[in-house]
Amino acid sequence: NAGVMQNPRHLVRRRGQEARLRCSPMKGHSHVYWYRQLPEEGLKFMVYLQKENIIDESGMPKERFSAEFPKEGPSILRIQQVVRGDSAAYFCASSPTGLQRTGNTIYFGEGSWLTVV
Amino acid sequence: AQSVTQLDSHVSVSEGTPVLLRCNYSSSYSPSLFWYVQHPNKGLQLLLKYTSAATLVKGINGFEAEFKKSETSFHLTKPSAHMSDAAEYFCVVRAAGNKLTFGGGTRVLVKP
Repeated sequence: NAGVMQNPRHLVRRRGQEARLRCSPMKGHSHVYWYRQLPEEGLKFMVYLQKENIIDESGMPKERFSAEFPKEGPSILRIQQVVRGDSAAYFCASSPTGLQRTGNTIYFGEGSWLTVV
Repeated sequence: AQSVTQLDSHVSVSEGTPVLLRCNYSSSYSPSLFWYVQHPNKGLQLLLKYTSAATLVKGINGFEAEFKKSETSFHLTKPSAHMSDAAEYFCVVRAAGNKLTFGGGTRVLVKP
């Protein structure tokens, strides 16, 4: 059973370009979470999605950031018009149900490192 | 609201000596607590978790942690450090909902 797969692992974008980060959850998992890790900091929650629904986006910046988890295909975190401050590691995680009902464990991918130049 | 404080940003130990990583949390609810390890440029690996069962939790690679409600602590220990333990360690709390709150991390250096 493959783990949470993220791609690309490393992405370089110029300021003003768009970044798209993809996440395929573990097989059988329908809940996806995105976290951001700025340099020298811990991870911070961004958004929680189920198939075709955004459940909690309280950690998402109000502008330029969006996330989706379509019925078919991976979850996408999209950052428009990137700025240097968007440089970070973006981690995706998945769980089979909401955390209250899964023994409280979510599984993280290996991350996507975005560098904005 | 929930928060996590890792009391040491860096810990340096000699190989074969004990490791102690300190974590305090605050939560309005009965929390679930986790320790994750992150090796350089790698993802997060779950070491152990506490979910209101036994207060002393054993994890992988010889790590264990003790939940102390009276002290709101969840310190991570290992009796004998190995070179491969050099990494960053995160204490994490989930109180309610589906959000995890991470501490700032403790970077462990193991000297030969």
